[in-house]
Amino acid sequence: DVKVTQSSRYLVKRTGEKVFLECVQDMDHENMFWYRQDPGLGLRLIYFSYDVKMKEKGDIPEGYSVSREKKERFSLILESASTNQTSMYLCASSFLPSGSTDTQYFGPGTRLTVL
Amino acid sequence: RKEVEQDPGPFNVPEGATVAFNCTYSNSASQSFFWYRQDCRKEPKLLMSVYSSGNEDGRFTAQLNRASQYISLLIRDSKLSDSATYLCVVSLGGGADGLTFGKGTHLIIQP
Repeated sequence: DVKVTQSSRYLVKRTGEKVFLECVQDMDHENMFWYRQDPGLGLRLIYFSYDVKMKEKGDIPEGYSVSREKKERFSLILESASTNQTSMYLCASSFLPSGSTDTQYFGPGTRLTVL
Repeated sequence: RKEVEQDPGPFNVPEGATVAFNCTYSNSASQSFFWYRQDCRKEPKLLMSVYSSGNEDGRFTAQLNRASQYISLLIRDSKLSDSATYLCVVSLGGGADGLTFGKGTHLIIQP
């Protein structure tokens, strides 16, 4: 079975802190994604990556950055956390190379609260 | 603008009943269609892909109507364990930025 893990299930940070959310997948997938999910807004894509050291902006990249130094690991960084970044963050991975669409496998999510 | 619309519900349905819900999409160039299931406080998981000819997986049937730009999910003989949020997902087929998630339909199966 595909396994996508995220470093924390729950995280509480203060406004202005730098926050790192880590995601690891164990199936050698090419593609990795970061979403946030908010009530009434659904899942929104923040950033994605098709390959190591490659990143692309999603629909809502403002206030976030990402890093993919190794194929299995995709990190989401909040440079200076703000209260409007309180949300559920979901990482996902998929197998097919860029230009294709394939099933995305999600991690369990990190519920981030910014005070 | 690409959009996927779903009735948020909740749909309250007695156990054993049949329930159906639809999802409409705005971009006629959409290529791939999926239903994901998300349990409360859990991650989304693929329930089934939706093919042009329609497809069935046990008690679940998915259908696509390209002319009217909607997809449907039918659940027969509903179980308590079917209670969840069902997400409609549409893809343009051009990679991750082509995936659009609906906001989900909340289904509650009552004993």
